[in-house]
Amino acid sequence: EPEVTQTPSHQVTQMGQEVILRCVPISNHLYFYWYRQILGQKVEFLVSFYNNEISEKSEIFDDQFSVERPDGSNFTLKIRSTKLEDSAMYFCASRQDGDYGYTFGSGTRLTVV
Amino acid sequence: GENVEQHPSTLSVQEGDSAVIKCTYSDSASNYFPWYKQELGKRPQLIIDIRSNVGEKKDQRIAVTLNKTAKHFSLHITETQPEDSAVYFCAASTYFGNEKLTFGTGTRLTIIP
Repeated sequence: EPEVTQTPSHQVTQMGQEVILRCVPISNHLYFYWYRQILGQKVEFLVSFYNNEISEKSEIFDDQFSVERPDGSNFTLKIRSTKLEDSAMYFCASRQDGDYGYTFGSGTRLTVV
Repeated sequence: GENVEQHPSTLSVQEGDSAVIKCTYSDSASNYFPWYKQELGKRPQLIIDIRSNVGEKKDQRIAVTLNKTAKHFSLHITETQPEDSAVYFCAASTYFGNEKLTFGTGTRLTIIP
């Protein structure tokens, strides 16, 4: 079964540093998402991406965040200057056109120290 | 925007008994309601979903019911087994192509052997 692949699985970074989280969505999917989950809390929407542009973003997705699909296969989330409160599990998800179901990646645990 | 409430936050049931988790949503335009199971440190895994054109869907020991008028939907697990222990999240979405999932706050289900 096709999978959404995320790297790295765990990233530790110093506060104020930039991080890039990487995702490879399923190849024929057209809709891409980033969600985050702070430890012990619910999964929260960050941003959706379609046709090479952001479709929707949440209040969490401020100017410190950006997304890119640089080469037609990777889908990246960049946090420019990390804060302690950015520590969370970040999940990438993708979806096929005409399909209701989302496929989630295995996540990147980001720890900001 | 959509708001999804989920109850209870924790649930313990004896092995073999049934478990019921309930969610309510606020946006009457929502038309897709998936349920995810999440084991510790893992990605959310879709276990069952329902669209607004049906009132009930069943898959072996798992069933979901939807009441559009009351804006609530429920997950039913029968003949529970220890491997059903996990955190369960409901979610809602308005499927018009690129819509995000709004998650509930999660239910930690513990099956007592």
